[in-house]
Amino acid sequence: SQVLTQPPSESVAPGKTARITCGGKNIGSYSVHWYQQKPGQAPILVIIYDSVRPSGIPERFSGSISGNTATLTISRVEAGDEADYYCQVWDFISDVVFGAGPKLTVV
Amino acid sequence: QITLKESGPSLVKPTQTLTLTCTFSGFSLNTSGVGVGWIRQPPGKALEWLALIYWDDDARYRPSLKSRLTVTKDTSKNQVVLTMTNMDPVDTATYYCAHRGHLADRSGYNFDYWGQGNLVTVSS
Repeated sequence: SQVLTQPPSESVAPGKTARITCGGKNIGSYSVHWYQQKPGQAPILVIIYDSVRPSGIPERFSGSISGNTATLTISRVEAGDEADYYCQVWDFISDVVFGAGPKLTVV
Repeated sequence: QITLKESGPSLVKPTQTLTLTCTFSGFSLNTSGVGVGWIRQPPGKALEWLALIYWDDDARYRPSLKSRLTVTKDTSKNQVVLTMTNMDPVDTATYYCAHRGHLADRSGYNFDYWGQGNLVTVSS
């Protein structure tokens, strides 16, 4: 079954680019989805199916996969982007798998 | 507009059975492809998928918790019910229900609409 590995935390300065990774064996053969969760709130989808932005999500958010790593990229980071970011896949054996959801801190 | 809302107890005792109800609107669980899932989040920890029920009554469970979980649906009431037996303090978490989002021509799925969550504390 799939295991998704994310770093515990990331930090970035306002206006810079944040890259949050999600590692998994053969992750390119899965559809990867990304969620943003702010304190006290339910998660919201920011990227679906590797690189598709749902309606209402700013173009600053993008997703990609290379090798065994999926990456969520946030360009021109704003203070309001500070949140936990979870990757998620569906695996035939385990069904739904979430990553650890590192906290992005905007410093 | 799709909305979901969890309801149930905020406090249960160890060994008791937890019953949570998800009441939804904006979609029908009679429609092919539709599903409602349950996800929990212990305080300060990561999301953990628990279960999902499909329109055709097929139910899937987290393997490590399968023996303790049951998910059912009542399409006439637009509700999904999760029961979890033998509750333990480690089950203290916010429990979310969510709508299964998917594209017909792609494998896998996500959760595109979420309820606000129901915090359940397990303590004597």
